[in-house]
Amino acid sequence: DAMVIQNPRYQVTQFGKPVTLSCSQTLNHNVMYWYQQKSSQAPKLLFHYYDKDFNNEADTPDNFQSRRPNTSFCFLDIRSPGLGDAAMYLCATSRDPGNLYEQYFGPGTRLTVT
Amino acid sequence: GQNIDQPTEMTATEGAIVQINCTYQTSGFNGLFWYQQHAGEAPTFLSYNVLDGLEEKGRFSSFLSRSKGYSYLLLKELQMKDSASYLCASNRDDKIIFGKGTRLHILP
Repeated sequence: DAMVIQNPRYQVTQFGKPVTLSCSQTLNHNVMYWYQQKSSQAPKLLFHYYDKDFNNEADTPDNFQSRRPNTSFCFLDIRSPGLGDAAMYLCATSRDPGNLYEQYFGPGTRLTVT
Repeated sequence: GQNIDQPTEMTATEGAIVQINCTYQTSGFNGLFWYQQHAGEAPTFLSYNVLDGLEEKGRFSSFLSRSKGYSYLLLKELQMKDSASYLCASNRDDKIIFGKGTRLHILP
């Protein structure tokens, strides 16, 4: 049974057109993470939510925002996608920040910007 | 990948053994992950080492030396399905910092 679900799996958007990627989890984990992974590169942490507390990485562009309306769902909003934002976006969860041993990844959403 | 170094690519033969090395920055270090990632898919968890030594899990084993900032993933009895990228990642200050991964090619 899927535990971390990402929709859609493939997303195409136009340059400058806002896009939202979604992630849901059935694990009731407290922490949800968003990573960006470009081709042949390491997954890069963008931000994470610990419950309702938002934690942004220092080098995450302002173009990237996130919302977590409840425990189960977390959204990644890209306000004005550029060609350089084409990547795989990975959602992950863990029970708490100190329990990364149990971090679970979703299948990812591959974003194409035309 | 923030001071995590691992070879970019390796090639091995089906049925053989391969060792993928990883060095990492030791400041704030809490543990070392290895993930497997097939092309176009999400990383899947392989191992997590906190203490020094070797941990064996079936065909895969992972080793950690905290004092040296060094780890390796050992894959035995290689199968074609083991062709993938292997990501070394450190748990540093309660965040997972990934390396760029080692792309492993398996030859028949």
